[in-house]
Amino acid sequence: KAGVTQTPRYLIKTRGQQVTLSCSPISGHRSVSWYQQTPGQGLQFLFEYFSETQRNKGNFPGRFSGRQFSNSRSEMNVSTLELGDSALYLCASSSTAGLRTGIIRDEQFFGPGTRLTVL
Amino acid sequence: AQKVTQAQTEISVVEKEDVTLDCVYETRDTTYYLFWYKQPPSGELVFLIRRNSFDEQNEISGRYSWNFQKSTSSFNFTITASQVVDSAVYFCALSEARAPLVFGKGTRLSVIA
Repeated sequence: KAGVTQTPRYLIKTRGQQVTLSCSPISGHRSVSWYQQTPGQGLQFLFEYFSETQRNKGNFPGRFSGRQFSNSRSEMNVSTLELGDSALYLCASSSTAGLRTGIIRDEQFFGPGTRLTVL
Repeated sequence: AQKVTQAQTEISVVEKEDVTLDCVYETRDTTYYLFWYKQPPSGELVFLIRRNSFDEQNEISGRYSWNFQKSTSSFNFTITASQVVDSAVYFCALSEARAPLVFGKGTRLSVIA
């Protein structure tokens, strides 16, 4: 079974631009989460989607947005890029069994990440 | 609120030594889940283990073992007979039911040949 894929793997943008990152979950997984990883802040949760609905949102400004499509693929968008947005953006997918019951947190499987550099 | 503390920022050991990575967590929920992930230099987070709060049984998987103690809110990870390939950053994470993962800052393990 193929793992989580993320595109592009590397991206260089300049301040003020916007960027869209893509994530394809493991086949059959309908939950997708996004995380930002920086040396200073570590791994921080951005948002989680399940069946095209945002279930949870982290403490990030409105410049960060996401969506999920009917095939479970997800995109995240960052508008008006700032230098501080330079980070590794990781996508993770998980199965839906736990989400149906609402009381179980299944393990998340991560993609290789997209390394975004803002100049 | 959820919190995970990995007090060891960096650890360096010689190959074949045993090493324990500490993880202390805070939560107000009685139902929660604990995880360990490995992040090698390639950057991808690799899932290692998940434990739920109702199962304090320790687990062993090959050279890896995990010690979960609710009394001390700890979920420590031991690598026995470490190898160079074990060099990576290891993250402990916590999730309350319905809540996203909260990660610790990670412990960078260097295994020297």
